[in-house]
Amino acid sequence: DTGVSQDPRHKITKRGQNVTFRCDPISEHNRLYWYRQTLGQGPEFLTYFQNEAQLEKSRLLSDRFSAERPKGSFSTLEIQRTEQGDSAMYLCASSLLRTNEKLFFGSGTQLSVL
Amino acid sequence: TQLLEQSPQFLSIQEGENLTVYCNSSSVFSSLQWYRQEPGEGPVLLVTVVTGGEVKKLKRLTFQFGDARKDSSLHITAAQTGDTGLYLCAGGGNTGKLIFGQGTTLQVKP
Repeated sequence: DTGVSQDPRHKITKRGQNVTFRCDPISEHNRLYWYRQTLGQGPEFLTYFQNEAQLEKSRLLSDRFSAERPKGSFSTLEIQRTEQGDSAMYLCASSLLRTNEKLFFGSGTQLSVL
Repeated sequence: TQLLEQSPQFLSIQEGENLTVYCNSSSVFSSLQWYRQEPGEGPVLLVTVVTGGEVKKLKRLTFQFGDARKDSSLHITAAQTGDTGLYLCAGGGNTGKLIFGQGTTLQVKP
């Protein structure tokens, strides 16, 4: 399978715990995006990378969220001191840098904070 | 801040009916994309429109980009149960990121 892979698919955690999600993009894609989505709503932009550089972070992304893409390949999204409001589907997408680029999404990580 | 408003947010119809979903903004986008998402999966791209007034057809789906590139519509002819899902429009600008609308949940009943 050469699509975008996310791990884990589901994560249940207790409030206050830290969690980390991983995204493996399509191998030749140089852009990687993180989005957050709640049930029945559209994805909400969090941050994106071009190669290893983080080019933009949403103002919605609090200091408890951090993302990395150390070698320009896979990426991790960490949430520290989770809160119930962090419960959502976290989607990763990758693309090739070009005009009107096409995003390929992974299946997401469903986070439930109890 | 660029926003995309989709309407309706929820649509329940019988198989064989036609429907239109709208995506509106006060901002101009360089392109507009439509995605379809099934429960527990990521969105999958259906089409990209880039030119004002552009119309694209994908089998029973017809997509249109407004002349001013601020709005778009998706029309489905003779809906089938397999069309059930969440339809998302997303606007692209020069920064690269996509801004998504809140989605239209379509339920097609047999």
